[in-house]
Amino acid sequence: GAVVSQHPSWVICKSGTSVKIECRSLDFQATTMFWYRQFPKQSLMLMATSNEGSKATYEQGVEKDKFLINHASLTLSTLTVTSAHPEDSSFYICSAITGTSFNEQFFGPGTRLTVL
Amino acid sequence: DQQVKQNSPSLSVQEGRISILNCDYTNSMFDYFLWYKKYPAEGPTFLISISSIKDKNEDGRFTVFLNKSAKHLSLHIVPSQPGDSAVYFCAAFYTGNQFYFGTGTSLTVIP
Repeated sequence: GAVVSQHPSWVICKSGTSVKIECRSLDFQATTMFWYRQFPKQSLMLMATSNEGSKATYEQGVEKDKFLINHASLTLSTLTVTSAHPEDSSFYICSAITGTSFNEQFFGPGTRLTVL
Repeated sequence: DQQVKQNSPSLSVQEGRISILNCDYTNSMFDYFLWYKKYPAEGPTFLISISSIKDKNEDGRFTVFLNKSAKHLSLHIVPSQPGDSAVYFCAAFYTGNQFYFGTGTSLTVIP
């Protein structure tokens, strides 16, 4: 199956700093990538949908100025958490689809962000 | 608004027995349903799916059943194996729309 990687897998940062998380599709071109956030014992919550070469579409309640998403190529999307605070600590997961089929999303392994 | 719900946060099953994981949804527009398996600190991996035109889909030890009138789907794993121990998420979407995930059920298969 298709492989999606994320880097870093775990990051600890101080409050007020910015953190960038990369999501790469390794063996396919991803027309669309998604960013999810998961709190402990809760569901995956979609944060934004990212299409190559265009602005990301954010879900209601997600601050676009805080969670900057860039999808510069068909194999790379980045999520930057700006001015991170402890409440941003979470597990961030990206996923990608090929073409326009939503039938299968290929998920990255996730990035655990801890903000001190 | 939790459109997809998994009301059992955890389930324990003896090895070799059947595991049944349940999922309920509220949006009748959903036309595709999926199950994902997730290990700690890893992303979900796709397990099995079913479209709304079917009521059953089988893949090896995994079978998904869909009851549209009850807005309910279930995942059956038989026989259960210790390696099946993980968190299972059900998800649903309708064409062109986002995925909605349930809150997950943690399955423990006891050797």
